[in-house]
Amino acid sequence: DAGVIQSPRHEVTEMGQEVTLRCKPISGHNSLFWYRQTMMRGLELLIYFNNNVPIDDSGMPEDRFSAKMPNASFSTLKIQPSEPRDSAVYFCASSLTGVDSGNTIYFGEGSWLTVV
Amino acid sequence: AQTVTQSQPEMSVQEAETVTLSCTYDTSESDYYLFWYKQPPSRQMILVIRQEAYKQQNATENRFSVNFQKAAKSFSLKISDSQLGDAAMYFCAYKPGTYKYIFGTGTRLKVLA
Repeated sequence: DAGVIQSPRHEVTEMGQEVTLRCKPISGHNSLFWYRQTMMRGLELLIYFNNNVPIDDSGMPEDRFSAKMPNASFSTLKIQPSEPRDSAVYFCASSLTGVDSGNTIYFGEGSWLTVV
Repeated sequence: AQTVTQSQPEMSVQEAETVTLSCTYDTSESDYYLFWYKQPPSRQMILVIRQEAYKQQNATENRFSVNFQKAAKSFSLKISDSQLGDAAMYFCAYKPGTYKYIFGTGTRLKVLA
């Protein structure tokens, strides 16, 4: 079975440029998460979608960050304009949540972003 | 507040030996899920083992097992016959009835040859 698929795996961009990270969740999962991981702050939840609807975006750092989920099989996280402090590993994850569901969260391989 | 605490930032174990990683959590809920994830240098987060709080039996996956003490709110991970490939960061995670997964700060495990 295909897991959570993220692209790109690595991206190096210049400050001020737009960055778009992409994610394909596991088929059948109803929940999608975007996390950011840094040495200083650990694993942070940025946004959570349920059935393609954003439920909690309180972790999105600022207006430069935006996320969409146009359908059940695709989501994007966009940073515009990017700044060096955005350098991190960005994880997309999905799960099937609900009563009698597995509730296990599965992560993609992550997108390593470096902003210079 | 619901929190997950991993009090051991780093642990070492000799190859083929057994090591236990500790995790405690704070909750007022009675039904929830607990997980251990492994993050090797590749940074991918890999599920190691999961436990439903309503199950009294401790979960086991090959060389990995947990000691789930619900009253004590403790969820430790035991790795038997440690292998070099077990070297990684290990994260404990808790999921209550809501959507949020709460992660600990991780324990770095070193396996000595």
